[in-house]
Amino acid sequence: QVQLVQSGAEVKKPGASVKVSCKASGYTFSNYAIHWVRQAPGQRLEWMGWIIAGNGNTKYSQKFQGRITITRDTSASTAYMDLSSLGSEDTAVYYCVRDCIGNSCYSHFDYWGQGTLVTVSS
Amino acid sequence: DIQMTQSPSSLSASVGDRVTITCRASQTISNYLNWYQQKPGEAPKLLIYAASSLHSGVPSRFSGSGSGTDFTLTISSLQPEDFATYYCQQGYSIPRTFGQGTKVDIK
Repeated sequence: QVQLVQSGAEVKKPGASVKVSCKASGYTFSNYAIHWVRQAPGQRLEWMGWIIAGNGNTKYSQKFQGRITITRDTSASTAYMDLSSLGSEDTAVYYCVRDCIGNSCYSHFDYWGQGTLVTVSS
Repeated sequence: DIQMTQSPSSLSASVGDRVTITCRASQTISNYLNWYQQKPGEAPKLLIYAASSLHSGVPSRFSGSGSGTDFTLTISSLQPEDFATYYCQQGYSIPRTFGQGTKVDIK
């Protein structure tokens, strides 16, 4: 069965960086995309960026441009999200999600990781 | 960016009730509209994609409709496990955007 398993909770100081991993199993990693979505306490879901696992192409939300890097290791079926210059407003649960790609794809997030809580506190 | 607006933001309902949640996009998104259910402490789960297609394993009491800018999620007979927050999301363009959520709780 399809699974996305994320790395564990992190506590970071303001100004630091965090790297969250997302290991995929149960499907051909290179045939899909991985998006990153976050949810601050009591807030709506917020899209951060995505990577097409097969070719490594990425797109990021303007809000995070310059602070976010999404990469993947196809040999390990794992995607990574690196966020730098953290502030208290980055305290949130971060999710990786799978999406289809290609001409017949109606983009939708069909499988979600369990979420990784990132707490930014001095 | 495409803004997604849900209504209502919250509602109270009883088991067996028919529940309808609406979602409006700030510009046309064809049928690139998805619905998710989220329970406290859990990741969201996909219910409906492409406006009206039921995701595998989702009970048939959930249905979606709409096209263009206006969409609806309907739960035909609310069950105890359906008390949760529901989000719409557009898959038409980058950045992907979500509605603010609709919390369904027990009357």
